[in-house]
Amino acid sequence: NAGVTQTPKFRILKIGQSMTLQCTQDMNHNYMYWYRQDPGMGLKLIYYSVGAGITDKGEVPNGYNVSRSTTEDFPLRLELAAPSQTSVYFCASRGSFGQPQHFGDGTRLSIL
Amino acid sequence: AQKVTQAQTEISVVEKEDVTLDCVYETRDTTYYLFWYKQPPSGELVFLIRRNSFDEQNEISGRYSWNFQKSTSSFNFTITASQVVDSAVYFCALNGRGDNYGQNFVFGPGTRLSVLP
Repeated sequence: NAGVTQTPKFRILKIGQSMTLQCTQDMNHNYMYWYRQDPGMGLKLIYYSVGAGITDKGEVPNGYNVSRSTTEDFPLRLELAAPSQTSVYFCASRGSFGQPQHFGDGTRLSIL
Repeated sequence: AQKVTQAQTEISVVEKEDVTLDCVYETRDTTYYLFWYKQPPSGELVFLIRRNSFDEQNEISGRYSWNFQKSTSSFNFTITASQVVDSAVYFCALNGRGDNYGQNFVFGPGTRLSVLP
């Protein structure tokens, strides 16, 4: 089983560039999440979705956008990359209440 | 509101020592789930265990054990005879039912465990 797949694994961007981090899951999970993890720190929730067509902000949404047109996909968009967005980004999904979150392997993003 | 506290930011032990990672949670829900995750130096996040609020039985899996106590709102994780491979960041998490059908899923800040040879 593929689980949660994130692409790319690594990326270097220049300040002001845009990019989309892809996330797809094959477990038919309703809930999907985007987190960022700065070096030596914990997980900060950027955006989450409770189902196709429904998204909501987490604690650090500024500078990011998401969409959820299908159950499987939950892309994260950076419009104008800034050095403060250098981080590791994790996508996760889970089923119903009480089910654990399953994480992708992460995308390591550097903005120079 | 839900909250998870892991007061130990970093712990260092020598191999073969026992170590307990503390997790204290806050919730008004009577139905909730607690989780532990491991993040080894390679970076991936690995689910370890889930416990629901109605099951206070302790769980043991090899060298790992978990102690859930509703009276103290704690869900502590003990590693017996620690090994270097246990070195990782460990996260505790809470999923409460709330009034939004269990949307709330909160992670603690993590505890970095270093097991020295």
